Order: sequence, then structure tokens, then C-alpha cells
Amino acid sequence: GENVEQHPSTLSVQEGDSAVIKCTYSDSASNYFPWYKQELGKGPQLIIDIRSNVGEKKDQRIAVTLNKTAKHFSLHITETQPEDSAVYFCAASTGGTSYGKLTFGQGTILTVHP
Amino acid sequence: SAVISQKPSRDICQRGTSLTIQCQVDSQVTMMFWYRQQPGQSLTLIATANQGSEATYESGFVIDKFPISRPNLTFSTLTVSNMSPEDSSIYLCSVQRASGAGELFFGEGSRLTVL
Repeated sequence: GENVEQHPSTLSVQEGDSAVIKCTYSDSASNYFPWYKQELGKGPQLIIDIRSNVGEKKDQRIAVTLNKTAKHFSLHITETQPEDSAVYFCAASTGGTSYGKLTFGQGTILTVHP
Repeated sequence: SAVISQKPSRDICQRGTSLTIQCQVDSQVTMMFWYRQQPGQSLTLIATANQGSEATYESGFVIDKFPISRPNLTFSTLTVSNMSPEDSSIYLCSVQRASGAGELFFGEGSRLTVL
């Protein structure tokens, strides 16, 4: 089955700096890659996703890049703010009827210091 | 995104008892799933809740331990049976909207502590 590795496990940055979280996956059939943000005591919130037919997607301060050849994808957050502090999870699935059957990475605890 | 309501939001349970978690969605969805998040860990898919038929379980999860119902398009229940402390986790309902592009949305979760 699919295996998703996520790094780093913790990331500490100063407000205004950029943050990058990287994930690798093992199943070449995977073609859908969402990112979730989970704040303390809450459920995961979808923040951005990318499908295998594109290499990059951007939404304001958040961007995701995908390299299907190397089987890795990354989350980039620019101009970080204290409100960005949370646990971030990457995930992968083979899409189609299996969009919801996600394999998650281990999570990254992001701390943004004011 | 869909509004997903889970009950209870948290509970403390005794070993050997069972607890049923309810998930209600505000709009019709195509797929509903149940995930587990053990303390400080990532999320793991338990099963797909199929409307009007038996749920489809992932490896390591069985119907006797986690019976699931989905009587209609907007409601599902997950029961955690004969609980032990190892079942202490957050149980999350997740859905794909009928009008969406396949994105998966999560409820706030049900935080169970088993003593």
C-alpha cells in the first residue's frame, strides 16, 4: 500500500519568514495530494490540494509543488504569521472513487514566533 | 465546505463498554469515511461508510470492533465496542460533497478517553 513520509516533524520560524514542509510517497498510482492544517482541539482543515496533472498551485501565501518523477510534494508558506502555528499533514490518494481514502504523513508541528 | 457535526465531542468511558459516535452532515454527500487519530499521531482510515450496506473496512479494522451504519446520505454512526485504553483516540467523520471535486472534509472529531 501507499506510504507517505513527511519532514520535518517540527519547524520553528520567525514571523515573516517562509516555511517549507516536504513529503514523499511510494505509490506511483497516487494522483491527488491534499494538505491539512489542524489546530489544537479541532479537526483537520483542508488548506490546499494538487492533482497530478499540474506541477504547482498557489493560493495567496500558500503554495504546493509536485514532482511526480521523484514522488515528492511540498507545502510552502510565505510571510508566516502566528496564526499559521498548527500541525500540518500531507496526504495522498489514487483519486477517482478513492479520493477519500487518504494516506497521511506523520505531521509537522509548525510554530511561528512573533 | 460541508458542515459536519459530530456527537459526542468528547467522552470518558470505562473499559469494556461501547460508545456510539454520530455524524450529521448539512448537505448530501457522496462518500463518508471514519478516521482514527491516536494521541499525538497521524490519521488512519478505519472504513468507508456505505449507504444502505455494510461498511468497507481497512486492514486492521473489523466490523465486530467498529460497527458502522449509514442509513441515508447525510448521517452515519461509528460504534467503538468493548473499549480498552488503547482505543483512546480522536475519531473523525469525513465526507466528500456531492457537488465537489473529490475533496475530503473533516468534522471536529470525537475525543474518547478509556479508563
